[in-house]
Amino acid sequence: EAGVTQFPSHSVIEKGQTVTLRCDPISGHDNLYWYRRVMGKEIKFLLHFVKESKQDESGMPNNRFLAERTGGTYSTLKVQPAELEDSGVYFCASSRDNEQFFGPGTRLTVL
Amino acid sequence: GESVGLHLPTLSVQEGDNSIINCAYSNSASDYFIWYKQESGKGPQFIIDIRSNMDKRQGQRVTVLLNKTVKHLSLQIAATQPGDSAVYFCAEKNFGNEKLTFGTGTRLTIIP
Repeated sequence: EAGVTQFPSHSVIEKGQTVTLRCDPISGHDNLYWYRRVMGKEIKFLLHFVKESKQDESGMPNNRFLAERTGGTYSTLKVQPAELEDSGVYFCASSRDNEQFFGPGTRLTVL
Repeated sequence: GESVGLHLPTLSVQEGDNSIINCAYSNSASDYFIWYKQESGKGPQFIIDIRSNMDKRQGQRVTVLLNKTVKHLSLQIAATQPGDSAVYFCAEKNFGNEKLTFGTGTRLTIIP
């Protein structure tokens, strides 16, 4: 069974630019989550999809972040415009029930 | 790896010895706890979990202990191996709420 995949693995952009991160969950997992770890901090929850619906987006930091999961399969997380403090590692996870399986993360660097 | 700049508590253990990693959690309403292992360049990987109605659970070479009175969780790794070197995170969640709340992590280094 293929695991959670994320693309790209690394992204370096300039302040003010737009970046879109993609997550492909494990096939059949209705639950999809986004987390991130910014420099010096712990991993923090961003949001949770159940199929294509946003179940909980309480962790989204501000309206520069937009997550979508059209069709309930893969998800994208767009940051527009990116700021310096957005630098960090963005993880996606998926689950069928309790256990969340994490992808390798996308390292985002905003210069 | 992605922990550059993240100042984690560290623990160094001689290969073959046992290690204990501790975690304090803050939410007394949390009813499910998980330990994750993260190796460089990879995402967190599930190790073992425990529900709040238990105080101990054992897996292969790993044991998780839960003390709800003092809101403390620990991960014991027996007979450590070089492959156990990683950052270990505890995480918690509440029944009915799927989001995980992570601790700061501990970097475990196994000395050959």
